[in-house]
Amino acid sequence: NAGVTQTPKFRVLKTGQSMTLLCAQDMNHEYMYWYRQDPGMGLRLIHYSVGEGTTAKGEVPDGYNVSRLKKQNFLLGLESAAPSQTSVYFCASSPGGRNTEAFFGQGTRLTVV
Amino acid sequence: GIQVEQSPPDLILQEGANSTLRCNFSDSVNNLQWFHQNPWGQLINLFYIPSGTKQNGRLSATTVATERYSLLYISSSQTTDSGVYFCAVKRSQAGTALIFGKGTTLSVSS
Repeated sequence: NAGVTQTPKFRVLKTGQSMTLLCAQDMNHEYMYWYRQDPGMGLRLIHYSVGEGTTAKGEVPDGYNVSRLKKQNFLLGLESAAPSQTSVYFCASSPGGRNTEAFFGQGTRLTVV
Repeated sequence: GIQVEQSPPDLILQEGANSTLRCNFSDSVNNLQWFHQNPWGQLINLFYIPSGTKQNGRLSATTVATERYSLLYISSSQTTDSGVYFCAVKRSQAGTALIFGKGTTLSVSS
């Protein structure tokens, strides 16, 4: 039982390059989330999805796009990476309905130079 | 949006001491979770506790939803308890997301 898996675990990008982070969950959860964590800032919500085909903006959505074409996958895209996007990115998922406990992936450390 | 405030921001303890971490939130919630982020950056689920009291070994948590706060108790602390403790909540309204506090950094020395 893998839970929530993020790919890749580490990545270095040059300014202006694009990339996609993949989050996959095998728990049949409805909700999925992308967060970024910066020193002293806690985890801030980038985008989230409440079901297949839906997405919504979080607290810090600028510079990112997301897609949820399949229920088990939630993709986070950076079209033109900037040094300000250097961060640790976490994906999470939670069931729908009354049980809303969330589970997190192991994180992706992204450095933009 | 909902506000989540954690206190204290930093806590330094000697091994064996007890501690209480607090989480205040500004709206009604249907999810409250406590996480421990270990020195390797992993987020470990400690408690899913939208209301009531739970215990797991040396850790216990209480959420008083009507008064909008939760407490995490750590007894007989060990050096492996060091790290950052996060509280996260989700509003009762459908379609909302899990929002985190800024965390409490705990350092336990031997």
